[in-house]
Amino acid sequence: GEDVEQSLFLSVREGDSSVINCTYTDSSSTYLYWYKQEPGAGLQLLTYIFSNMDMKQDQRLTVLLNKKDKHLSLRIADTQTGDSAIYFCARRYSSASKIIFGSGTRLSIRP
Amino acid sequence: EPEVTQTPSHQVTQMGQEVILRCVPISNHLYFYWYRQILGQKVEFLVSFYNNEISEKSEIFDDQFSVERPDGSNFTLKIRSTKLEDSAMYFCASSSPRRGLLDEQFFGPGTRLTVL
Repeated sequence: GEDVEQSLFLSVREGDSSVINCTYTDSSSTYLYWYKQEPGAGLQLLTYIFSNMDMKQDQRLTVLLNKKDKHLSLRIADTQTGDSAIYFCARRYSSASKIIFGSGTRLSIRP
Repeated sequence: EPEVTQTPSHQVTQMGQEVILRCVPISNHLYFYWYRQILGQKVEFLVSFYNNEISEKSEIFDDQFSVERPDGSNFTLKIRSTKLEDSAMYFCASSSPRRGLLDEQFFGPGTRLTVL
């Protein structure tokens, strides 16, 4: 199967941490991505993790990968209003060109 | 910073009409892609293109669809006879081959196609 599943909405208070979760069905994925889409804009690669890693940290972003449960998460520390966007979980095989996307999680920030 | 551009941003057409969606990939990129997102659904891969030919296509990419790189800069997606279910946001992407494991695809802002 090629499914990548994620919840559709997340609302957090400004300054709190946001955690966006994703599950996938195919354990052969080599690359796992998080894309961000702001209104009217394209899909921007936010961060990625290889399947042989458990965690990756990049400034306010932390990606955790649980290969056993096929679960990927994106944590945004100190969430700001500028983080409001749709976040897409995605995966890709090592040799194939296509990217398989989840349906996206809309992150909204409360003051 | 180089970016992928797409025109038009919004296209409205009548069912049965042909449409051409245009993309200008990043200039030194060699791989080109089309994806689409029907409202409320996932972003779906349509086709990838390299060296003037299709390298991979999905089941969605049937005979009604075609891609072309008519000159050195544009990459187009043609839908010959549009159907209502073709209404979607269409994203173009491009990437550059390089040694290593990550080959980032850069996405354009999308063209919203509305078929009436």
